[in-house]
Amino acid sequence: DGGITQSPKYLFRKEGQNVTLSCEQNLNHDAMYWYRQDPGQGLRLIYYSQIVNDFQKGDIAEGYSVSREKKESFPLTVTSAQKNPTAFYLCASRAGTGNPYEQYFGPGTRLTVT
Amino acid sequence: QKEVEQNSGPLSVPEGAIASLNCTYSDRGSQSFFWYRQYSGKSPELIMFIYSNGDKEDGRFTAQLNKASQYVSLLIRDSQPSDSATYLCAVILIMDSSYKLIFGSGTRLLVRP
Repeated sequence: DGGITQSPKYLFRKEGQNVTLSCEQNLNHDAMYWYRQDPGQGLRLIYYSQIVNDFQKGDIAEGYSVSREKKESFPLTVTSAQKNPTAFYLCASRAGTGNPYEQYFGPGTRLTVT
Repeated sequence: QKEVEQNSGPLSVPEGAIASLNCTYSDRGSQSFFWYRQYSGKSPELIMFIYSNGDKEDGRFTAQLNKASQYVSLLIRDSQPSDSATYLCAVILIMDSSYKLIFGSGTRLLVRP
């Protein structure tokens, strides 16, 4: 099966703990993205990466970190510096050829921090 | 002003009717426009994209783009209860040779049986 996988589906953490969300794709897509969605809101871009070993901050990068050591993987770490980490986190990827604009989303991880 | 604006709804239509969802954007240079459907608790699913002025049809869905007025709309014909979802409009922003999708906050559609 080709696609984007995110794990876990639900994640619970105590305040003050760092947590890493996994995103893997086997679509051979070049670009990968992390979004955050709060209830009743649209998606806000956290970080994105267009090639391996390179990534850029999105609109709300504070309190988050990423790495892109492999084309297939783009993990997101939510650090204790993120003030309101409880949200639905979505990973997406985009092909660099064909229609370069279409993004496809993984199933998401719902993070709850108490 | 938000870059992409949508009425949050809910937009309620009876089964079989046409649902009309609208979106306005602020960047006149935007070239590519997308409609995503998102069921509650699920991730967004791409249903339509449009690049050129005019209409683009795909089954029961029609996307309409008017660049002069900076709006893009989605029509759903013969609406079904299964169409009940939040519809997100997104616009491409190209910065420093990278592409970013800017999303509206979505319109919730309710199709009444």
